[in-house]
Amino acid sequence: DQQVKQNSPSLSVQEGRISILNCDYTNSMFDYFLWYKKYPAEGPTFLISISSIKDKNEDGRFTVFLNKSAKHLSLHIVPSQPGDSAVYFCAASDESQGGSEKLVFGKGTKLTVNP
Amino acid sequence: EPEVTQTPSHQVTQMGQEVILRCVPISNHLYFYWYRQILGQKVEFLVSFYNNEISEKSEIFDDQFSVERPDGSNFTLKIRSTKLEDSAMYFCASKSETLNYEQYFGPGTRLTVT
Repeated sequence: DQQVKQNSPSLSVQEGRISILNCDYTNSMFDYFLWYKKYPAEGPTFLISISSIKDKNEDGRFTVFLNKSAKHLSLHIVPSQPGDSAVYFCAASDESQGGSEKLVFGKGTKLTVNP
Repeated sequence: EPEVTQTPSHQVTQMGQEVILRCVPISNHLYFYWYRQILGQKVEFLVSFYNNEISEKSEIFDDQFSVERPDGSNFTLKIRSTKLEDSAMYFCASKSETLNYEQYFGPGTRLTVT
């Protein structure tokens, strides 16, 4: 049951360049999407989110784009820094139910930013 | 900055034993969650808790699991009789009641069942 898919297990970029991490989802009821960053032996750290009523949200070097018709979102990091090296998880929730709003996670993409 | 804390950071137990994993959510948050991540797999939802009761649970959360908020600060996950396949990282998360859907995660407890 892969409602949220991150098809690239790893990505390597040069410092200063753009990192683009992709995520696809299948459940059309998802209406809120989040990106988390995770270092080894730590919990996921919230990075940025987007509601389904928007197609873009920006916070500093991080921008999330949402294409609802394609059920696709992406995280852009510009410029990439070595400290950005981590595993990035895409997560989604269905906020319309007014219930637990559990998060459904993708498998993650390991980003390596080379100096 | 407020953060979710979890204890212990690592718990080793024998199969069949009971374990209690503890979490202190962010103080003004009202929604609480447990997730787990088996090594090499994705983070999976276990249970959510609001207003002193379970609001949703996954099929993983069977009768061996229970949650409790024994006082105003702690949130616990109990596994009554651990199995080898319960070995995983267990993450607690909390969320405020405002229109802010972000969940904030603790550092996790690594549970090893031998």
